[in-house]
Amino acid sequence: DAGVIQSPRHEVTEMGQEVTLRCKPISGHNSLFWYRQTMMRGLELLIYFNNNVPIDDSGMPEDRFSAKMPNASFSTLKIQPSEPRDSAVYFCASSFEGGGNQPQHFGDGTRLSIL
Amino acid sequence: DAKTTQPPSMDCAEGRAANLPCNHSTISGNEYVYWYRQIHSQGPQYIIHGLKNNETNEMASLIITEDRKSSTLILPHATLRDTAVYYCIVIKDAGGTSYGKLTFGQGTILTVHP
Repeated sequence: DAGVIQSPRHEVTEMGQEVTLRCKPISGHNSLFWYRQTMMRGLELLIYFNNNVPIDDSGMPEDRFSAKMPNASFSTLKIQPSEPRDSAVYFCASSFEGGGNQPQHFGDGTRLSIL
Repeated sequence: DAKTTQPPSMDCAEGRAANLPCNHSTISGNEYVYWYRQIHSQGPQYIIHGLKNNETNEMASLIITEDRKSSTLILPHATLRDTAVYYCIVIKDAGGTSYGKLTFGQGTILTVHP
């Protein structure tokens, strides 16, 4: 079975550029999560979608970050304009219903470097 | 969600059982115990979870004490590929708009040596 698919795996770009990260959740899962991992802050939840609707975006660091889920099989995380402090590994995870008895399954992440 | 306490690091010989402890003394009745691991450069990998009863799957076993204040993850025959950071997480039973939030602490660095 296909797991969570993220693209690109690596992204290097200059500050000020727009960055778009993509995620395809596991088929049948209706909950999607975007996380960010850095050495300093560990793994942080950025935003949670349920049935394509953003439920909790309290972890989104600032207005430069936006996330969308236009349908059940696709989500994007956009950073515009990007800054060097946005450099991190970004993970997408999906689960069924987001509940405590339904594990979240993670993709392999996008390693983002902003120069 | 209840806080968890894990040892920062552990060693295990290849082929032996790895027993990773976790304390969650403030756990509530509707909170699950989850274990994830993260191998360098990869995304967190779900291992196993449970509520009250012991659980076993193809990867590991989870032993939860009767008072639910602690648990142990058992990798029955550790291999070098099991070297990773292991996270014990407690999460509320919720769904839909009220979701169970995963909060990753420092975890236990398990090193499996030949």
